[in-house]
Amino acid sequence: SQQGEEDPQALSIQEGENATMNCSYKTSINNLQWYRQNSGRGLVHLILIRSNEREKHSGRLRVTLDTSKKSSSLLITASRAADTASYFCATDGYSGSARQLTFGSGTQLTVLP
Amino acid sequence: KAGVTQTPRYLIKTRGQQVTLSCSPISGHRSVSWYQQTPGQGLQFLFEYFSETQRNKGNFPGRFSGRQFSNSRSEMNVSTLELGDSALYLCASYPDLTGGITEAFFGQGTRLTVV
Repeated sequence: SQQGEEDPQALSIQEGENATMNCSYKTSINNLQWYRQNSGRGLVHLILIRSNEREKHSGRLRVTLDTSKKSSSLLITASRAADTASYFCATDGYSGSARQLTFGSGTQLTVLP
Repeated sequence: KAGVTQTPRYLIKTRGQQVTLSCSPISGHRSVSWYQQTPGQGLQFLFEYFSETQRNKGNFPGRFSGRQFSNSRSEMNVSTLELGDSALYLCASYPDLTGGITEAFFGQGTRLTVV
């Protein structure tokens, strides 16, 4: 079953605008990760934020994590047509033994040129 | 370094048949996980293998099974295929780091269509 929901389900913006996606989850986590998927292909890792971190940056990406609200957001600044893809958050409850990612439902981002 | 390789990329099978999918992790990675992606259920965890042992299993029927070989390559098998098994099957590998916190590296997936 899905860990939680992503909001919005679909987002369409103009090139150069910022895109914000939100993710909610249900259980305690070790870390939260964001992945991108281009049209039915494999997932590409974007950024990982640990449960004791509140904000992280990587290039044009900014991720926030609020463990009290069990939510995270991904901001893509100055978007480009090449950013068009589906974006998924995934929580990792890794406890030193098994690895299992629990994914959100995803946001389909379309960046119009 | 080569990425995670999944074969075949596309597969069409008939209901009732069985299928085997293969995954070669990044060299040096010993943990391999499998995920099923469908439009209705999204991305769901199937199972994870580490050093030839299944460490974790998702909520799937026994028709779904897997194994891992001594070279870390993994296979998953689905027997008695149903139409609902049509999906993109993704494999991911992890580096074997102490401390444990790391991202997953995904393959391009195998698109299975059951007719």
